[in-house]
Amino acid sequence: DARVTQTPRHKVTEMGQEVTMRCQPILGHNTVFWYRQTMMQGLELLAYFRNRAPLDDSGMPKDRFSAEMPDATLATLKIQPSEPRDSAVYFCASGFRPYEQYFGPGTRLTVT
Amino acid sequence: DQQVKQNSPSLSVQEGRISILNCDYTNSMFDYFLWYKKYPAEGPTFLISISSIKDKNEDGRFTVFLNKSAKHLSLHIVPSQPGDSAVYFCAASAGNFGNEKLTFGTGTRLTIIP
Repeated sequence: DARVTQTPRHKVTEMGQEVTMRCQPILGHNTVFWYRQTMMQGLELLAYFRNRAPLDDSGMPKDRFSAEMPDATLATLKIQPSEPRDSAVYFCASGFRPYEQYFGPGTRLTVT
Repeated sequence: DQQVKQNSPSLSVQEGRISILNCDYTNSMFDYFLWYKKYPAEGPTFLISISSIKDKNEDGRFTVFLNKSAKHLSLHIVPSQPGDSAVYFCAASAGNFGNEKLTFGTGTRLTIIP
């Protein structure tokens, strides 16, 4: 049963610290998405990649967020420096056909 | 600017009755619509979708209706079951049926009362 995995599942950190979230997409999927879920905005698309190349990162605060795919089995989302307003659940999703997005379980980030 | 709106944060329905979840959108370029279901501590999972060339799509107990003139879609669940208790997200995409970029609503928490 292929699944998207995300680590860590929970992260508590202090303001100003660097946070790195990792995602392993489903093997064979060529598109990877990063979303953020907040109560007010719902699920917001931060960035997405196809074949490891960034296609759209317009939803991401550029000054502190960065997303990369070092290889086909790993996607990372970094926040540096983190702020309390970054507290949210961050989801990674992968797919290989339009509209088919398989979500991971999410990383719950709390910045104090 | 919330382009996809789910104005009801929560909904409670008796088991066996019909659940109707609503979604409105503002972007007339949206041409494909999806519903996702999310349980606590899990990621959303795809439920059902509809393209703008249709006004109805059915899959078992789940039916999605699209009213393009009103920019409105709804998800009907009949009959509702306790396992349907979850948060439901409406999502939309624009661009010739091939754009993977989805815009999500804020979700509606559905509670099925036994």
